[in-house]
Amino acid sequence: QVQLVQSGAEVKKPGASLKVSCKASGYTFTSYYIHWVRQGPGQGLEWMGLINPSGGNTNSAQKFQGRVTMTRDTSTSTVYMELSSLRFEDTAVYYCARTEIVVPSWFDPWGQGTLVTVSS
Amino acid sequence: QSALTQPASVSGSPGQSITISCTGTSSDVGRYNYVSWYQQHPGKAPKVMIYDVSNRPSGVPDRFSGSKSGNTASLTISGLQAEDEADYYCSSFTSSTTWVFGGGTKLTVL
Repeated sequence: QVQLVQSGAEVKKPGASLKVSCKASGYTFTSYYIHWVRQGPGQGLEWMGLINPSGGNTNSAQKFQGRVTMTRDTSTSTVYMELSSLRFEDTAVYYCARTEIVVPSWFDPWGQGTLVTVSS
Repeated sequence: QSALTQPASVSGSPGQSITISCTGTSSDVGRYNYVSWYQQHPGKAPKVMIYDVSNRPSGVPDRFSGSKSGNTASLTISGLQAEDEADYYCSSFTSSTTWVFGGGTKLTVL
């Protein structure tokens, strides 16, 4: 079945960088965008950006530009999201999710989420 | 890109119908029929309930329906059930080739 499995929870200090992985299975990896969405404690969903696993092209929300880097490894069907210069307010659950490339479709499935805590 | 606007909370009794609105702009909701709705229970990942404004994925009860008028999309849940109590989020594709979510609506089944 189609599945996205994310790396485990992390605790980071302010100013550090974070790298979360999302391993895809059950479908053709290069045929779907992978997006990153985060959710702060008690907050709503926030779209961060996407990567096209086929060519590695990325696009991100203006808020994260310059601080987020998304990469992929086609040999392992894994996408990585790196967020630099972490702040306390980056504490959140980070999700990866898939959409079609040809049509800007809906997010399905979602990864299980990765809890990131930024604490001194 | 500003978040889409949703009411913070709605409530209804079992068996009743409720509607959640999602207001965007002419650059997102008003421009594209790529609006989707997600249900999220506490501690769980979101689950798609409606896509492309009004389509239901297989397995989603037909009590869930979606529509759009101008810059506002709506999710209607009829015949409310206890298990519908959750947070609901709308999402839209935008003219910047980005996606945007609504702020979320907490549905309480009384």
